[in-house]
Amino acid sequence: SQQGEEDPQALSIQEGENATMNCSYKTSINNLQWYRQNSGRGLVHLILIRSNEREKHSGRLRVTLDTSKKSSSLLITASRAADTASYFCATDGASYDKVIFGPGTSLSVIP
Amino acid sequence: DTEVTQTPKHLVMGMTNKKSLKCEQHMGHRAMYWYKQKAKKPPELMFVYSYEKLSINESVPSRFSPECPNSSLLNLHLHALQPEDSALYLCASSQELPTGGGYTFGSGTRLTVV
Repeated sequence: SQQGEEDPQALSIQEGENATMNCSYKTSINNLQWYRQNSGRGLVHLILIRSNEREKHSGRLRVTLDTSKKSSSLLITASRAADTASYFCATDGASYDKVIFGPGTSLSVIP
Repeated sequence: DTEVTQTPKHLVMGMTNKKSLKCEQHMGHRAMYWYKQKAKKPPELMFVYSYEKLSINESVPSRFSPECPNSSLLNLHLHALQPEDSALYLCASSQELPTGGGYTFGSGTRLTVV
């Protein structure tokens, strides 16, 4: 299976702290994406990083990709209570034609 | 319009019922997807449509029948479901295959089979 694994499964931090989530995957990829899901609602696309990129930023988000270790990390800086959600990494695999989600990290930001 | 709209938001159906889920997007995306998500689990891919043609069926039971009548609309027809099919059903779209960009997801249909 190309599905990634996320670490940690659950994370609880104080508002203002940074949150780091990690994702590992098994097969070669063309790109890796991160999504956020609030409490049983639809997923929101956060950021996409291509296999030839090592780091990408978007606002308070920083994503890194290490293809040699088949791993990625998502850093949320200066977290807010509104960041409380589940975060999923998703990979497309070599075939490009479908995106498979990892198990996710549940983030709780305590005001 | 940068949305994927799913209807209904909630659906309760009996095991002998026939119902349909509807998904609509007006972003000009040519790839559309159905995912199933159980509580505290990641979304699981069910079907992929590319240019209105079924591209991938992830070995989904035939009681789930997808349909793509046009480039903006994706349906999922449900018949003779089981209680274990209760889940959040998510529709998504992307510009096209290969998946060079991110997906836009709808808010989902919460399905309960009784």
